[in-house]
Amino acid sequence: SQTIHQWPATLVQPVGSPLSLECTVEGTSNPNLYWYRQAAGRGLQLLFYSVGIGQISSEVPQNLSASRPQDRQFILSSKKLLLSDSGFYLCAWSVGRSLGQNNSPLHFGNGTRLTVT
Amino acid sequence: GNSVTQMEGPVTLSEEAFLTINCTYTATGYPSLFWYVQYPGEGLQLLLKATKADDKGSNKGFEATYRKETTSFHLEKGSVQVSDSAVYFCALSSNNDMRFGAGTRLTVKP
Repeated sequence: SQTIHQWPATLVQPVGSPLSLECTVEGTSNPNLYWYRQAAGRGLQLLFYSVGIGQISSEVPQNLSASRPQDRQFILSSKKLLLSDSGFYLCAWSVGRSLGQNNSPLHFGNGTRLTVT
Repeated sequence: GNSVTQMEGPVTLSEEAFLTINCTYTATGYPSLFWYVQYPGEGLQLLLKATKADDKGSNKGFEATYRKETTSFHLEKGSVQVSDSAVYFCALSSNNDMRFGAGTRLTVKP
């Protein structure tokens, strides 16, 4: 069966410090990968998605970047955190289109709560 | 473009009450529709889905029917429990473009 791991679960970082959140998926190949942010009491904002190694699409301009160095690894980074980067970050995967699946559901990790102080 | 609108919360019910959370959508093409649930401090879990008109998704006593004529996918449960307290998200996927509603917080009191 497929599993998704996301870490760390919580993180407190000072303004101006770097960030690296990691997400890995097991049990599937060529997944679509996603990073979402959920601000307190609000809905989900899609930050980045990837359909393959080295292929990253950004939904909104921001202080963050994403990379996919391996097929099942997705990393969210920042060189200098801002207070506004605080939130709950969720990684997700879905079956890739290369497998002939359209509109398949997303499967989420347990999230990382980031507090920038 | 594609979008999802769901009823604003919070919703507070007593145990064993009937639940309805409304969800309507706008989409090009033929979307698949989903309900996700998020328990406190956790990620989202897929609750149920429907892939074509008139399909009924069901899981854990929750149901939702894909109504193309009213572009709706309302979530229902006949008798809620305290353990159902969570945030519920309606979502659609059309041409692999996944969109989420803003979420509805449900609190069930004993």
